[in-house]
Amino acid sequence: EIVLTQSPGTLSLSPGERATLSCRASQSVSSSYLAWYQQKPGQAPRLLIYGASSRAPGIPDKFSGSGSGTDFTLTISRLEPEDFAVYYCQHYGNSPLYTFGQGTKLEIK
Amino acid sequence: EVQLVESGGGLVKPGGSLRLSCGASGFIFTNAWMSWVRQAPGKGLEWVGLIKSKVVGGTTDYAAPVKGRFTISRDDSKNTLYLQMNSLETEDTALYYCASVFTIRNPAFDYWGQGTPVTVSS
Repeated sequence: EIVLTQSPGTLSLSPGERATLSCRASQSVSSSYLAWYQQKPGQAPRLLIYGASSRAPGIPDKFSGSGSGTDFTLTISRLEPEDFAVYYCQHYGNSPLYTFGQGTKLEIK
Repeated sequence: EVQLVESGGGLVKPGGSLRLSCGASGFIFTNAWMSWVRQAPGKGLEWVGLIKSKVVGGTTDYAAPVKGRFTISRDDSKNTLYLQMNSLETEDTALYYCASVFTIRNPAFDYWGQGTPVTVSS
């Protein structure tokens, strides 16, 4: 079973800064099956990145994904107030079919 | 506009049953792979299960904690997804989301409903 570990648990930054969120898999995974989601309080998750680096339709280019193998990164450039939320990585695999990381809370410093 | 609307949540006693529904619109439901994801209060996201389109057999897959207790089904004539939950446990208390799979090659969840809450308590 693949385990996704996100770090840091909480990231405190100021608007205008750049955020770098990490997702580490317990074993090598296919980049095609790595996704990132944003969830704001009281809202459903929103797909940001699929295939490790492709932005979902309508997602601004300040969000970018990268990585391969076991290490993946979500970068948010020029943070705006609406970007402060919880971010999850997700992998599609075998057993279980889907795994989520535990989440990184991005909070305003 | 794609819409997913869950319903059927509520309060149920341990050992009880509940059936959730997810009505879909704005896309070709018949071709879609669909999933259920839950989120316990204050916790992260947990995948529950998936059902493929009938075109590829309509097969299902479940997370270990719910396997044998939960059943996912679909009625393509009604554009509706279901989650039958039996032998409910307090640990099943969560907000339950339905979500659509983006593509088979990129099987992330592109659309989500707003969720329906399930509370299992005596």
